[in-house]
Amino acid sequence: GAVVSQHPSRVICKSGTSVKIECRSLDFQATTMFWYRQFPKQSLMLMATSNEGSKATYEQGVEKDKFLINHASLTLSTLTVTSAHPEDSSFYICSAFRGRGDPYNSPLHFGNGTRLTVT
Amino acid sequence: DAKTTQPPSMDCAEGRAANLPCNHSTISGNEYVYWYRQIHSQGPQYIIHGLKNNETNEMASLIITEDRKSSTLILPHATLRDTAVYYCIVRVVNRDDKIIFGKGTRLHILP
Repeated sequence: GAVVSQHPSRVICKSGTSVKIECRSLDFQATTMFWYRQFPKQSLMLMATSNEGSKATYEQGVEKDKFLINHASLTLSTLTVTSAHPEDSSFYICSAFRGRGDPYNSPLHFGNGTRLTVT
Repeated sequence: DAKTTQPPSMDCAEGRAANLPCNHSTISGNEYVYWYRQIHSQGPQYIIHGLKNNETNEMASLIITEDRKSSTLILPHATLRDTAVYYCIVRVVNRDDKIIFGKGTRLHILP
């Protein structure tokens, strides 16, 4: 079964509004979660690393004031797309590491993604 | 940048074994090889991973060359549901533990 839950799976919003996407680890604690964005027929692009209890680390070219990340607990990270524009329309995917011990030996589990459409 | 290279697409007949290659010539000694796949409009699904020994699970087998510079994912009896984009990933060793995806291989299973 799914170990990372992402909500909502699909959202349509108007230009200028904000949208929050939730990512939950269901049966494990995740100190680190990751947010990816994927445009049609392209690969996943890492946007940011979400760290529990501290500020997120953003990849080069990703606006931190536009994509707000909050990792308030060990099982929940949220991505808020602020003042959304049509070019923000994309497939957003979160992921988290599962497992204890050697982190390099634990698979990265993904949510099922959120399809954002900005009109 | 991704540390792996894969062919952009492959075809395989249904019921046959699908062999997906991956080159990772700059892999470090403590980096693992992971394989994920992404079916259309879904999140990536973990398939298998390994360090240097060959691995097998209920989904696939992973063959890693002795020099660890390449690997092959084997789906022993491909079905139409195996049509997906397959990503070979090498874990980047840094403090963030982030994973950078390459372009993957789009596998088409032909009926």
